[in-house]
Amino acid sequence: NAGVTQTPKFRVLKTGQSMTLLCAQDMNHEYMYWYRQDPGMGLRLIHYSVGEGTTAKGEVPDGYNVSRLKKQNFLLGLESAAPSQTSVYFCASSYPRGRVRSGELFFGEGSRLTVL
Amino acid sequence: ELKVEQNPLFLSMQEGKNYTIYCNYSTTSDRLYWYRQDPGKSLESLFVLLSNGAVKQEGRLMASLDTKARLSTLHITAAVHDLSATYFCAVENLANNLFFGTGTRLTVIP
Repeated sequence: NAGVTQTPKFRVLKTGQSMTLLCAQDMNHEYMYWYRQDPGMGLRLIHYSVGEGTTAKGEVPDGYNVSRLKKQNFLLGLESAAPSQTSVYFCASSYPRGRVRSGELFFGEGSRLTVL
Repeated sequence: ELKVEQNPLFLSMQEGKNYTIYCNYSTTSDRLYWYRQDPGKSLESLFVLLSNGAVKQEGRLMASLDTKARLSTLHITAAVHDLSATYFCAVENLANNLFFGTGTRLTVIP
């Protein structure tokens, strides 16, 4: 059972280059998220999606774009990478929250991005 | 915006000792989560606390939630080396998004 899978795991970019991170989940979760993790700052939400074809901004959306064309996939794009985007990126997914069901997140293994 | 503060940020403790990690948050919420992260690894869910007064225990870890005080605690009993990791609390806002604390890096010393 794969859970949440992120590709690539590591990437080095030059300033101004573009790239896409792919997240795939096989748990049939409605909700998907992209977080970035920086030392001393915990995890910060970049963008999220509550269903196929929908996306929304999180805490730190600037410089990123996302797409959710299929329920199982959530793509994070950097159109013009900057050194400030050097970080570890985590994708997560969850069921919709309800009175009984929690919003527990299931995380991927992370993607370490370095922008030179 | 929801702010989540954890303390301490770093915790070094001897095996066999007890200690508590605190998680304070700034706005009303009745859903709080605790995660564990090993170095270079992903986050693993530890506890889900869904109401005021909720208490969950797993092995040497016990988590509680006081929504009136906007406070959750993660208590460690008789620490062992395997508990060394970074622990995060995360609070859910009204839009159902999780806001994470900065984490507490726990090191258990033999």
